[in-house]
Amino acid sequence: NAGVTQTPKFRVLKTGQSMTLLCAQDMNHEYMYWYRQDPGMGLRLIHYSVGEGTTAKGEVPDGYNVSRLKKQNFLLGLESAAPSQTSVYFCASSLWASGDNTGELFFGEGSRLTVL
Amino acid sequence: LAKTTQPISMDSYEGQEVNITCSHNNIATNDYITWYQQFPSQGPRFIIQGYKTKVTNEVASLFIPADRKSSTLSLPRVSLSDTAVYYCLVGDPVTGGFKTIFGAGTRLFVKA
Repeated sequence: NAGVTQTPKFRVLKTGQSMTLLCAQDMNHEYMYWYRQDPGMGLRLIHYSVGEGTTAKGEVPDGYNVSRLKKQNFLLGLESAAPSQTSVYFCASSLWASGDNTGELFFGEGSRLTVL
Repeated sequence: LAKTTQPISMDSYEGQEVNITCSHNNIATNDYITWYQQFPSQGPRFIIQGYKTKVTNEVASLFIPADRKSSTLSLPRVSLSDTAVYYCLVGDPVTGGFKTIFGAGTRLFVKA
């Protein structure tokens, strides 16, 4: 049981290049999220999804796009990378919170992106 | 979403009990209090969640007073491996869980 897997783990881009981060979860979770974390700061929500085929904006969505074509995968795209997007990106997933389920977030190990 | 306030950093020594307090004056009726732990170069990990009074698990205890405007995460007998950032989150996990917002957290440093 791998949990939440992010690829790639490291990437260096030049300004203006595009790339996609892939998040895969094998826990059959409905919800998936993309966060970014800058040095010494907490996590900020970029986009999230409440189910296959649905996405929504979080706190800092500008410059990013997402897609959830399959329940287990959540893709984060940067169409034209900027130095301000240098950060560590975390994907997370969770179940619908009900009964004894706390709605706990399960995180991946992170993807470190540097934009030159 | 209720805003939370917690200390930026704390220091402790091995074997001591550590209490981290979080203020959430605007907590709503359906909100729960959840704590996460994050080690360097890792994603956050769920520690504990509570609604009122006291909750205890194998890792920590969570104390919530009757007015629920604050909460305290208690780590018994910390070790060096407890050095991490601890985040306090407040929200309704049923209707607002997907809007979970992490603040800067409390950076706990445990010394030998």
